[in-house]
Amino acid sequence: EIVMTQSPATLSVSPGERATLSCRSSQSVSSSRLAWFQQKRGQAPRLLFYGASTRATGIPARFSGSGSGTEFSLTISTLQSEDFAVYYCQQYNNWPWTFGQGTKVEIK
Amino acid sequence: EVQLVESGGGVVQPGGSLRLSCSASGFTFDTYAMHWVRQAPGQGLECVSAINAIGATTYYADSVKGRFTISRDNSKSTLFLQMSSVGDEDTAVYYCVRLGMPGGLDSWGQGTLVIVSS
Repeated sequence: EIVMTQSPATLSVSPGERATLSCRSSQSVSSSRLAWFQQKRGQAPRLLFYGASTRATGIPARFSGSGSGTEFSLTISTLQSEDFAVYYCQQYNNWPWTFGQGTKVEIK
Repeated sequence: EVQLVESGGGVVQPGGSLRLSCSASGFTFDTYAMHWVRQAPGQGLECVSAINAIGATTYYADSVKGRFTISRDNSKSTLFLQMSSVGDEDTAVYYCVRLGMPGGLDSWGQGTLVIVSS
């Protein structure tokens, strides 16, 4: 099973600032089969990126994804109030598909 | 608009059984693989099971293998998860999720809560 490790666990950021979230996999994720999700309290997760860097439908350009192999990152260039949430990375290279434990982005 | 509506959750006794359903609309159901993803209270996400578009291939997490069965009825655009021999560790919100064509779990239901309790 591929283990996904996200850092930091919590990121305290002021609105308007930049946030960078990291995700590391225990094995290489081929073809960048890596996704990012956003989950707000009481809601289902929402797909942000697939293929490590391809934005899902309707995702604002302030979100960007990058990385390959075992190292991936999600950047929010200018945090808006609606961006404070928990973010998960997930590999869909090998079954079982596995998620990281999440990074909570909170208001500083 | 893609819609996934789960039902069938509730309180079940340890060792008991429950069947979850997911009614899909707004897309051609029989061309998409489908997944069940669960989230224990206050915890992260776990891919529980998956099924390909025609129902011929299924996948299970080790934690549920032999206890849960995923299936689908394409004529009714419905996904199922039959849960048996449930334990405390199965308490979670269960999401029905579509696997998008280019990749990624792109559409999620609102989830149905399963509580295992005596």
